Amino acid sequence: DIQMTQSPSSLSASVGDRITITCRASQSIGTSLNWYQQKPGKGPILLIFAASTLQSGVPSRFSGSGSGTDFTLTISSLQPEDFATYYCQESFHTLIFTFGPGTKVDIK
Amino acid sequence: QLQLQESGPGLVKPSETLSLSCTVSGGSIRSSSFYWGWVRQPPGRGLEWIGSVYYSGSAYYNSALQSRVAISPDTSNNRFSLRLSSVTAADTAVYYCARINYNYLYYFDLWGQGTLVTVSS
Repeated sequence: DIQMTQSPSSLSASVGDRITITCRASQSIGTSLNWYQQKPGKGPILLIFAASTLQSGVPSRFSGSGSGTDFTLTISSLQPEDFATYYCQESFHTLIFTFGPGTKVDIK
Repeated sequence: QLQLQESGPGLVKPSETLSLSCTVSGGSIRSSSFYWGWVRQPPGRGLEWIGSVYYSGSAYYNSALQSRVAISPDTSNNRFSLRLSSVTAADTAVYYCARINYNYLYYFDLWGQGTLVTVSS
């Protein structure tokens, strides 16, 4: 099974900051990597699929990059509504999924 | 706008079977474009994929749960269901249903609001 890790597990930032979250896969997965945002008490929201493709309706301050085993999610200018937990998820094997453990972004 | 809504008992006794349904509105589960899935989240923890199903009935399961889980479509009622047998306290979680879309790869693009299931006697 593919294992996913994320770093950091949490971070504190201020509105306007640029932040980067890293996700690492235990084996090469090409660009089969998705990112989700989850706020307390809500279901996750898809932000980015295929490592770098922005889902329709997602603000352009979100971007993703990477391939192989190392991926990043960047928020270029953190907004108040962006304080949430972010999960990566691999889709390398057809219809078999693994989520990363999550990165919580809170207000400094 | 397609919506998903989970339903089922909020309390299940240990060793019994957890049963949940996900009703889809604003679209059909018979669409050839989508799969449908279940994901759970224990309190204060991360997301765990449980399994996925196509309207034809073909299904894929998390290997850690495969011996206890079954997901099936109910096209007559435009819903799909989850059954998890022999539950323990470790199965206490918020259970989400979601639509699985495909564009180069599979991803969960629409989610239900989730339903909390507690396993306790």
